[in-house]
Amino acid sequence: DTEVTQTPKHLVMGMTNKKSLKCEQHMGHRAMYWYKQKAKKPPELMFVYSYEKLSINESVPSRFSPECPNSSLLNLHLHALQPEDSALYLCASSQEGDSVNNEQFFGPGTRLTVL
Amino acid sequence: DQQVKQNSPSLSVQEGRISILNCDYTNSMFDYFLWYKKYPAEGPTFLISISSIKDKNEDGRFTVFLNKSAKHLSLHIVPSQPGDSAVYFCAARDFYSGNTPLVFGKGTRLSVIA
Repeated sequence: DTEVTQTPKHLVMGMTNKKSLKCEQHMGHRAMYWYKQKAKKPPELMFVYSYEKLSINESVPSRFSPECPNSSLLNLHLHALQPEDSALYLCASSQEGDSVNNEQFFGPGTRLTVL
Repeated sequence: DQQVKQNSPSLSVQEGRISILNCDYTNSMFDYFLWYKKYPAEGPTFLISISSIKDKNEDGRFTVFLNKSAKHLSLHIVPSQPGDSAVYFCAARDFYSGNTPLVFGKGTRLSVIA
């Protein structure tokens, strides 16, 4: 299994809603990432989890709350978002440690629209 | 300050010809470079990578060249096919400094014309 899966594919939510994005991989990767991508822009890193611990938070607003329940799962909890948070949210995973082939594998993304 | 630069936002190439996508970087600590391909409404797909100990890596129609002294890398696609039409992102990381994340360029949109 060389796939990163993300659910849902599309999400529309109001500014007062609470929702969660989910990401799953079964490649034995120990690093997992959340990226945000706006149209015609490169992916922007939000969070990195390494061995299920948050290792990087790129100054993301607290209305985004990541969670890594186990080594295969990564969640992103959303609360009180703003319309400018509408974007494609990408999950990725990679091997950890001293692996030379450290490419990140991306999921298909969740297209989020905040009304 | 952009550490990874893709100065051509778009490129058009005839089917069967060579596509050359360029990428420059400023951080001399970067030692691992990757190319990703992205179709609309999909996540980026890993294409090919190269570490700083090499100057060339080839995988089928795709070859990546690295010129460390010029801090420049390029992706060659030969022959180009219409299905190659996508946005190509160059990415880099400082591998030996630990778990540093990828730094992406802004992407180049490749259009292969039949």
